[in-house]
Amino acid sequence: NAGVTQTPKFQVLKTGQSMTLQCAQDMNHEYMSWYRQDPGMGLRLIHYSVGAGITDQGEVPNGYNVSRSTTEDFPLRLLSAAPSQTSVYFCASSRLTQLLEQFFGPGTRLTVL
Amino acid sequence: DQQVKQNSPSLSVQEGRISILNCDYTNSMFDYFLWYKKYPAEGPTFLISISSIKDKNEDGRFTVFLNKSAKHLSLHIVPSQPGDSAVYFCAASAFQGAQKLVFGQGTRLTINP
Repeated sequence: NAGVTQTPKFQVLKTGQSMTLQCAQDMNHEYMSWYRQDPGMGLRLIHYSVGAGITDQGEVPNGYNVSRSTTEDFPLRLLSAAPSQTSVYFCASSRLTQLLEQFFGPGTRLTVL
Repeated sequence: DQQVKQNSPSLSVQEGRISILNCDYTNSMFDYFLWYKKYPAEGPTFLISISSIKDKNEDGRFTVFLNKSAKHLSLHIVPSQPGDSAVYFCAASAFQGAQKLVFGQGTRLTINP
């Protein structure tokens, strides 16, 4: 099993550009989520999904869109990137019955100039 | 408002000694608490958890203590090993099936030989 995979590992964007961060898992987990990690702020939940077709907002959803068309994939879209979105982004997944033990991907480091 | 706080950004401990990482929380609705460990360029990995009905949970060299009246938990690592050098995140959840984890800022632990 590859676990949780994220692409790309690094990305540099200009303000106003759009892009999609990819996340996939091969563990048949129902729950998937996106976090951002900023210095001194820990991990903050952006969006999450409890299954295909179901998404909901986390703590810091503004500026981000998500969709969940399959169990395996949970892409995160930045429609118009801003410097405040410079961060490290982590995708995670888990069984709905084991939400406390989430499996994280390796992260995407995004810089918005 | 930070609901889960790790007030020590960093901690340095000699190999073989005890490492104690601390975490405070403000939300009395939190019922489950977790510790995640993160190495550079990797995603966090689940380490240990504790339910609010317990005051201690052990897993090998790792023990988590919970003091509900003080809204405080700690992670003890005994004996500390060089491979324990990582960033440790404390996290909390309102109940086991809650779909959101709230993370602290993290503490960077360095084990010196």
